Amino acid sequence: QQPVQSPQAVILREGEDAVINCSSSKALYSVHWYRQKHGEAPVFLMILLKGGEQKGHEKISASFNEKKQQSSLYLTASQLSYSGTYFCGTEFEGAQKLVFGQGTRLTINP
Amino acid sequence: DAGITQSPRHKVTETGTPVTLRCHQTENHRYMYWYRQDPGHGLRLIHYSYGVKDTDKGEVSDGYSVSRSKTEDFLLTLESATSSQTSVYFCAIAGINTEAFFGQGTRLTVV
Repeated sequence: QQPVQSPQAVILREGEDAVINCSSSKALYSVHWYRQKHGEAPVFLMILLKGGEQKGHEKISASFNEKKQQSSLYLTASQLSYSGTYFCGTEFEGAQKLVFGQGTRLTINP
Repeated sequence: DAGITQSPRHKVTETGTPVTLRCHQTENHRYMYWYRQDPGHGLRLIHYSYGVKDTDKGEVSDGYSVSRSKTEDFLLTLESATSSQTSVYFCAIAGINTEAFFGQGTRLTVV
């Protein structure tokens, strides 16, 4: 039931853009996005709810296609501080458990 | 920072011994989760709670049990620790339709 993330890893130069995708085989109620630095706990970036509501940081954007059960995280004009592993978490219709994907490792080089 | 504390932060234990990890919150959030994190597997849900004494299994619950007798505490017990349970364990808390906040993690080594 884990959502599937793609790509598994991305290497960028500072200033380039990246898109991370998350898909589920089950109907979704919400999608969460988190970033984790090495040796630290995951930190919240954004939550997208069924029906269109979004909450999150101003510099992060994401989309949620409810029909396709997919979400994408858009990182534009990447900075060195964007490096880390990104996780999408999903909550399914009728269930209150938050299940995460396997993560996408993002490396930003100068 | 959200008020969530995990204890202990590090533990080394022997195979076959029981181990209990504690997650404590001061936010009065309804939902509490236990995850394990291993290289290549991301964050895998062990158990979660949606209220006092209300818990349910996650994807990798075998060998683990949980209890939540108070809103603020969620305990994870490894009934008889095995080397395959060596991992980093994260607790998380969340309200209704809100983001999850993670504890700092517990590094458990079973020798």
